[in-house]
Amino acid sequence: GAVVSQHPSWVICKSGTSVKIECRSLDFQATTMFWYRQFPKQSLMLMATSNEGSKATYEQGVEKDKFLINHASLTLSTLTVTSAHPEDSSFYICSAHWTYNYGYTFGSGTRLTVV
Amino acid sequence: GENVEQHPSTLSVQEGDSAVIKCTYSDSASNYFPWYKQELGKGPQLIIDIRSNVGEKKDQRIAVTLNKTAKHFSLHITETQPEDSAVYFCAASYLPGNQFYFGTGTSLTVIP
Repeated sequence: GAVVSQHPSWVICKSGTSVKIECRSLDFQATTMFWYRQFPKQSLMLMATSNEGSKATYEQGVEKDKFLINHASLTLSTLTVTSAHPEDSSFYICSAHWTYNYGYTFGSGTRLTVV
Repeated sequence: GENVEQHPSTLSVQEGDSAVIKCTYSDSASNYFPWYKQELGKGPQLIIDIRSNVGEKKDQRIAVTLNKTAKHFSLHITETQPEDSAVYFCAASYLPGNQFYFGTGTSLTVIP
């Protein structure tokens, strides 16, 4: 089956530093990737949509300069949290989609803690 | 855009009883409705899904029903077990290639 490898699974970083999260589709080409964020005891909320080779589309209230998304190839999308602050501590998860047979799969998620 | 509402927010049942979680959606164009189970500290795991051309789907103790006219769908868990305790999320999407809109989650506790 289709697998998305998301790394790291957890990361602790100091306030002010940047963290990069990778989502890599292992056995398919992902035409679209979505990035979600889940705060403790809350639901998953879409942050941004990325299509291969084009700029990401950000949801209202999500700072594009803070959450940099790169989707340079059909198998890799990255989310970089720049100048992280404690309020960015959250669970980040990607989903990769392909168009034939309406397929998609989620990554396993990354728990980010900013101290 | 799509709006998904989920009820109840918390649910406690005795082991062996059934649990039902309900969701409504607003966009009649949505054609795919998955349910996810999320255990503490882990990512959501797909447990069952249904497409808009189907009214009901079962997988052992889990079933999902869809009423397109009323725009609501439900998760049914029968013969609940303590390991069913988790947070359950419903979602709606228009596939292919569109985002998921998630419900607010239901914390299910199965009491031994």
